[in-house]
Amino acid sequence: DTAVSQTPKYLVTQMGNDKSIKCEQNLGHDTMYWYKQDSKKFLKIMFSYNNKELIINETVPNRFSPKSPDKAHLNLHINSLELGDSAVYFCASSQELSRLGLQTQYFGPGTRLLVL
Amino acid sequence: RKEVEQDPGPFNVPEGATVAFNCTYSNSASQSFFWYRQDCRKEPKLLMSVYSSGNEDGRFTAQLNRASQYISLLIRDSKLSDSATYLCVVNARSASKIIFGSGTRLSIRP
Repeated sequence: DTAVSQTPKYLVTQMGNDKSIKCEQNLGHDTMYWYKQDSKKFLKIMFSYNNKELIINETVPNRFSPKSPDKAHLNLHINSLELGDSAVYFCASSQELSRLGLQTQYFGPGTRLLVL
Repeated sequence: RKEVEQDPGPFNVPEGATVAFNCTYSNSASQSFFWYRQDCRKEPKLLMSVYSSGNEDGRFTAQLNRASQYISLLIRDSKLSDSATYLCVVNARSASKIIFGSGTRLSIRP
C-alpha cells in the first residue's frame, strides 16, 4: 500500500487556470506538508498543517491555498497559474512537530506541473 | 549566507570507495537533522536521522558538530545503488524552519 499518494502525477495546463492537487496519507500522521521543487532541484516548504495549525511559508503567494477535509488529506489549490509555478510539488506527512523536533517525513511521488 | 549549504558535487567515485559529504547550517537553534536521498525523478526518502552522539547504519555514518554547525555523511564500501542526490535537512523546531539543502549528487562508477 502506498503510504503517501498524490494525484495527478502529471498536470499540464494554461496560464491563468485554477487547478488542484490531491494528497492522501494512510500512516495515521498528524502533520502534512506541501513542498515545491523547482528546476534547480531546490526543495522548499510551502505549508505545514495539522488539525490545529496551518503554518505558511511567507514566501508563498496567496494564490496557493491548502485545504484539508480531514486528517488524512491535504489538497493544494492554485489560482491563476503562472509560468513560474511550473515545478514538482511534493506532499509529505510526519508525526506531529513537537518539542522533540521534526519527525521523519514520508513523501508522496510528486506531481509534475507544467504551465504553458 | 544560505541557511543550509551543501557541496552540489557531482562526486564521481569508484565502487568500493569511501565518500563523505558535509552540510553546514547557519541557525544555531537547529535541533533536528536528517539525511535524505533522492533518486532521479523520485521523491526524497529518509536515509537516516542524525543524532548528537553520531550514529551508524550499516555502511552509513552520520555525525553532528554543533560547535562548527555542520552535519556529515560517510558512505563506506560504496555500491552502484548509492548513486543518488543526498539532501541534508535541518529544522529549528518551527515548521516554517524546515530547510532542505540543495543536495549533493553522487555517482558511483563500476
